[in-house]
Amino acid sequence: NAGVTQTPKFRILKIGQSMTLQCTQDMNHNYMYWYRQDPGMGLKLIYYSVGAGITDKGEVPNGYNVSRSTTEDFPLRLELAAPSQTSVYFCASSDPGGRSKYEQYFGPGTRLTVT
Amino acid sequence: GEDVEQSLFLSVREGDSSVINCTYTDSSSTYLYWYKQEPGAGLQLLTYIFSNMDMKQDQRLTVLLNKKDKHLSLRIADTQTGDSAIYFCAEIQVSGNTPLVFGKGTRLSVIA
Repeated sequence: NAGVTQTPKFRILKIGQSMTLQCTQDMNHNYMYWYRQDPGMGLKLIYYSVGAGITDKGEVPNGYNVSRSTTEDFPLRLELAAPSQTSVYFCASSDPGGRSKYEQYFGPGTRLTVT
Repeated sequence: GEDVEQSLFLSVREGDSSVINCTYTDSSSTYLYWYKQEPGAGLQLLTYIFSNMDMKQDQRLTVLLNKKDKHLSLRIADTQTGDSAIYFCAEIQVSGNTPLVFGKGTRLSVIA
């Protein structure tokens, strides 16, 4: 299993540009999440999904959109990028029925800079 | 709502024990986790404990849970330079479908 993969690893955007951060997992997990991590800060939940076709807002959803058309993929869309969206973005997935219940498996992250 | 608090920094000498502390809010039915984040990487689960347990030991790691004070600690015995990382405490309540709530993380620096 590759686990959770994210692309791209790095990206620089100009203010006002748009982009999609890709996230794929091959563990057949129903739950998937997007977090952002600002320097020296913890994780803030942007959006999450409990299954294909179902998404919910997290703590900081403004400026982002998600979709979940398949179990494997959970892309995060940034429209009209702003400097405040400069951050490291992590995708994660989990299987509530698993051994450690709600353990989340994380991707390696996408480092985004908006200038 | 749920909240998880951690101290931000800890510095220890190689070979000493490290103790990272966390306080959480609520509940009678909670799962608690410790994640490790190495520089430039995502988070990896280190260990976890259910709220009906007081202690869990896994090699050099010992998790202690004080339910009365809602206090969780992670002890790393014989700390090595490879243990330098950010450690996140996280909580989830079983009763709902709410996602994990993470603390801000404790940056552990190990001095050789």
